[in-house]
Amino acid sequence: GQQLNQSPQSMFIQEGEDVSMNCTSSSIFNTWLWYKQDPGEGPVLLIALYKAGELTSNGRLTAQFGITRKDSFLNISASIPSDVGIYFCAGLNWDNRKLIWGLGTSLAVNP
Amino acid sequence: NAGVTQTPKFRVLKTGQSMTLLCAQDMNHEYMYWYRQDPGMGLRLIHYSVGEGTTAKGEVPDGYNVSRLKKQNFLLGLESAAPSQTSVYFCASRLTGGNSPLHFGNGTRLTVT
Repeated sequence: GQQLNQSPQSMFIQEGEDVSMNCTSSSIFNTWLWYKQDPGEGPVLLIALYKAGELTSNGRLTAQFGITRKDSFLNISASIPSDVGIYFCAGLNWDNRKLIWGLGTSLAVNP
Repeated sequence: NAGVTQTPKFRVLKTGQSMTLLCAQDMNHEYMYWYRQDPGMGLRLIHYSVGEGTTAKGEVPDGYNVSRLKKQNFLLGLESAAPSQTSVYFCASRLTGGNSPLHFGNGTRLTVT
C-alpha cells in the first residue's frame, strides 16, 4: 500500500538538543498529522495541519505543511527525556477516508 | 468520556482458534478503523467503516472480518488464527470532516502460537 517517506528512521540525541524530522510523498495531501506513540500505548495526536504553508506550534513542537502539499516537517526544541517515543506522520488521502502513514521516527534522548 | 476503548488488552491464541476484538468509542464518530502494527512496518490498515452497517477492506484484510452493527462499536474477528497474525492491533475513530484527526485506543497485543 501507499506509504509516506519518513526520515530519519531513528535518532539518538542529548537532552537539550533540537530535533527535526520530515515526511515526503509523491501525492498531494489536504491534511498532515503528526502523532507520538509511547511504549504500550496508542498513537496520540501532536499537531494537525490543514493548509499549505501553515506553520503550527504546540509547546516545544513546531510543524509545517509544505507549500507543495507533498511534505511536512516536525521540529522539537530543547528535547527532554519524556520526548522519547516513536513519531509518525500521516496524510489524509483524496477521499478524506483513509490516512496514509509514515513508518515512524524512533527518538531516544540521553539525559 | 473514555474516548476509544479496546478489549481485551492482551490475548494468547493457539493456531486455528478464533476470537473477536472489541472497539468502542463514545465520541459519536462516524469513521472507525482497525490497524495492525508490526516492527518496522508502521501502521497497516486492516478494515475500516464509514458508518453503521458499512465496512470496507484496507491494505491487509485477509484472515480478518469486521462488523459495525452499532455506530459506537467496531468488531474485528479472526476466524482461524495464524502465527502471522501475532501483532499489536489498534482501533481508531474520527469524525467525517476532512479536518478531523484520528483518535486511537491503547491497543490489543495478540500472540498466536
